[in-house]
Amino acid sequence: EAGVTQSPRYAVLQEGQAVSFWCDPISGHDTLYWYQQPRDQGPQLLVYFRDEAVIDNSQLPSDRFSAVRPKGTNSTLKIQSAKQGDTATYLCASSLDGGRQNTLYFGAGTRLSVL
Amino acid sequence: GDSVTQTEGLVTLTKGLPVMLNCTYQTTYSPFLFWYVQHLNEAPKLLLKSSTDNKRTEHQGFYATLHKSSSSFHLQKSSVQLSDSALYFCALREKDSNYQLIWGSGTKLIIKP
Repeated sequence: EAGVTQSPRYAVLQEGQAVSFWCDPISGHDTLYWYQQPRDQGPQLLVYFRDEAVIDNSQLPSDRFSAVRPKGTNSTLKIQSAKQGDTATYLCASSLDGGRQNTLYFGAGTRLSVL
Repeated sequence: GDSVTQTEGLVTLTKGLPVMLNCTYQTTYSPFLFWYVQHLNEAPKLLLKSSTDNKRTEHQGFYATLHKSSSSFHLQKSSVQLSDSALYFCALREKDSNYQLIWGSGTKLIIKP
């Protein structure tokens, strides 16, 4: 079974630039999560979807961040105008049955550095 | 609100020694606790999970017991290996809900030869 795939693996930006992260969850997983993980800290949920619907985006800085999952499969997270404080690893995870299966499967992440 | 506390930010041990990583939690609901392990430059992976009070759960030599009386879910291993060097996260979810995980701040475990 293929795991969660993310791209790119690394991104380096100047402040003010835009970047998009792409995630392909495990086939059949209805729930997809985007987390931000600063260095040596725990993951912090940004947004999650069930199928194509956003369930919770309360932690997503909506002025600069956006996320979509138009067909309920792949997802894109975009930062419109990056800041140095956005430097972190962005993790995508997926699960079955809205998370009731109690196991999240993570991708390897995209490591973002904003200079 | 719900929270998870991991008191050790960094634990350094010599190979072959036992380890216990602390995890305590706060919730007013029935808890479901998890341990995730993240090796350098890799994705977090589920190590252990439990919602059953006073029952030991084991995987890959690691074990933990959920104690609701003390709100704890400490991770233990009797003899650590070099390959155990990683970040370990404790996480909480309300049982039988689709609420999201609440993560601890993580413990970095470094094993020396």
